[in-house]
Amino acid sequence: DTAVSQTPKYLVTQMGNDKSIKCEQNLGHDTMYWYKQDSKKFLKIMFSYNNKELIINETVPNRFSPKSPDKAHLNLHINSLELGDSAVYFCASSQDFGASEQYFGPGTRLTVT
Amino acid sequence: RKEVEQDPGPFNVPEGATVAFNCTYSNSASQSFFWYRQDCRKEPKLLMSVYSSGNEDGRFTAQLNRASQYISLLIRDSKLSDSATYLCVVNIGTGGFKTIFGAGTRLFVKA
Repeated sequence: DTAVSQTPKYLVTQMGNDKSIKCEQNLGHDTMYWYKQDSKKFLKIMFSYNNKELIINETVPNRFSPKSPDKAHLNLHINSLELGDSAVYFCASSQDFGASEQYFGPGTRLTVT
Repeated sequence: RKEVEQDPGPFNVPEGATVAFNCTYSNSASQSFFWYRQDCRKEPKLLMSVYSSGNEDGRFTAQLNRASQYISLLIRDSKLSDSATYLCVVNIGTGGFKTIFGAGTRLFVKA
């Protein structure tokens, strides 16, 4: 069984469009995250949610809006996509906030043309 | 200065070699430390946590020096399957944690 799943795996879209990425974890974890990994492979945290509440919002443009309908889901909506948004976006979860291991989803490779 | 810095790569080693990766962190409020492994075009996966007393898992040994704010990972008897990027990860803060990933060190193990 997949622990952390993301859809879609690949997303190709044009500048200015709005798109969403979905994430689900079946581990019963309280905390979920979104990370961005750019072309230089640097993995940077974007958001952290604990029990459906936003805990960390790094310096991310407000075009990015996470939404957590329940503890098992954390979706990412991106408005007015820009070329610089092209990256791999990883969802992750951990048992609680500040806990040890984070489990990552397979990633969504977003390409903005 | 970056919050978490790692050895620049790539490391190219023959099978059976011993290789060591270093990582330094700048925030003294760092609480917990890990090594993750990321294969090409895959997600990061936890390799091992790093404890103050040092810890070993098979061919892998991790060490932490809080005074020097330094973490290391030693891989003995390298296998071809060890080829990957190794990410140093630090959790900073108390109560409200922030996870910082290093940029990673690429390892190539060759036959």
